[in-house]
Amino acid sequence: SYDLTQPSSVSVSPGQTARIPCSGDILAKKYARWFQQKPGQAPILIIYNDSERPSGIPERFSGSSSGTTVTLTISGAQVEDEADYYCYSAAGDNLVFGGGTKLTVL
Amino acid sequence: EVQLVESGGGLVQPGGSLKVSCAASGFSFSFSDSTMHWVRQASGRGLEWVGRIGSKGGGYATAYGASVKGRFTISRDDSQRTAFLQMNSLKSEDTAVYYCRSTVIDKNWFDAWGQGTLVTVSS
Repeated sequence: SYDLTQPSSVSVSPGQTARIPCSGDILAKKYARWFQQKPGQAPILIIYNDSERPSGIPERFSGSSSGTTVTLTISGAQVEDEADYYCYSAAGDNLVFGGGTKLTVL
Repeated sequence: EVQLVESGGGLVQPGGSLKVSCAASGFSFSFSDSTMHWVRQASGRGLEWVGRIGSKGGGYATAYGASVKGRFTISRDDSQRTAFLQMNSLKSEDTAVYYCRSTVIDKNWFDAWGQGTLVTVSS
């Protein structure tokens, strides 16, 4: 089991909105982050502090939070957004992760 | 462009040792201001935090996950912009891709990862 819970897969058609939830008790007290990982590539931070986007990340990526659940939203998903997405959060010195969600865009 | 490049992974026998490295480049600030983490992912399993070494200002404090404490040691050489993970008394369950990660306390937007290096523990 994982400290944070995500669906294992989400599938949308190009141009549709993809939503990936992540839940866990720690999220009521700590910020969440999201990274995107494509096969053979380094993970890339796409959301931090629940809803902030680092420079260079497209505006179609957004994050929100409510209670013990955070949600990554990709508005107008594109084929190149197909990847694995992980939520994670800091728990003291430790990091806790979700199990990852495979996003399919086709 | 920020880059973290891991190296040194490979095949090692149970009970053996291995040291992997993480070389950083492209930072717009001093490498010594960063906290360097190691995270691993076993095939078909989730991500697991291994440990971290703090910044120079944080006294290079280290912390480790329960499953590796006492066996793994994280160090760094700021002059070489490199972090290290020394792994001793390796077990089959340590087989995983090991990623390094860099963060900076007052820069929440900065959270860089490497591509990982595969460590296989098998006889």
